[in-house]
Amino acid sequence: GEDVEQSLFLSVREGDSSVINCTYTDSSSTYLYWYKQEPGAGLQLLTYIFSNMDMKQDQRLTVLLNKKDKHLSLRIADTQTGDSAIYFCASWGGGGNKLTFGTGTQLKVEL
Amino acid sequence: DAGVIQSPRHEVTEMGQEVTLRCKPISGHNSLFWYRQTMMRGLELLIYFNNNVPIDDSGMPEDRFSAKMPNASFSTLKIQPSEPRDSAVYFCASKSRENQPQHFGDGTRLSIL
Repeated sequence: GEDVEQSLFLSVREGDSSVINCTYTDSSSTYLYWYKQEPGAGLQLLTYIFSNMDMKQDQRLTVLLNKKDKHLSLRIADTQTGDSAIYFCASWGGGGNKLTFGTGTQLKVEL
Repeated sequence: DAGVIQSPRHEVTEMGQEVTLRCKPISGHNSLFWYRQTMMRGLELLIYFNNNVPIDDSGMPEDRFSAKMPNASFSTLKIQPSEPRDSAVYFCASKSRENQPQHFGDGTRLSIL
């Protein structure tokens, strides 16, 4: 089955850019999603990208997709303390309704 | 625009008791998902429904777990009898169409003593 992997932790200074990486195994993945989970809350959809796109930008967020290497990244510009959270990458393979989630990357923003 | 609504937000009960978690999906969404999140196992899909019909329950851990969706606006996840290892955060999510993203509720934090 599909496997989605992420590094577990990332620490950045406030004002710097954060880059969270994700790799997936299913080449038929059609949509790739980024979710944010703050403490005690559910998963909030941040953004998503269709597999025929290389890049998507939404305010401070930039998603890059390298379909050849099955690599997805989320860049957060001008990272703020409010960005501290767990970020999940998820892929949808185009069949059925299941999403495959990564383990999540905990982003810590330091002053 | 109301999101996915789950209740209760927190539940603490003794082992052996029956636990019922509730979910109201976003109006117009026809797929509903139940997940469990723990530190050890991360986010696990337990079961999902399309048009109120259970499609895949392969993630339900044991017969002690059951889920129902009697109509398009309500679903329950029941654990009977509950055990301490069932302690986790349980999320409900819904989506409108196949290629649309899932939207999550705020979860129910369940503690079984």
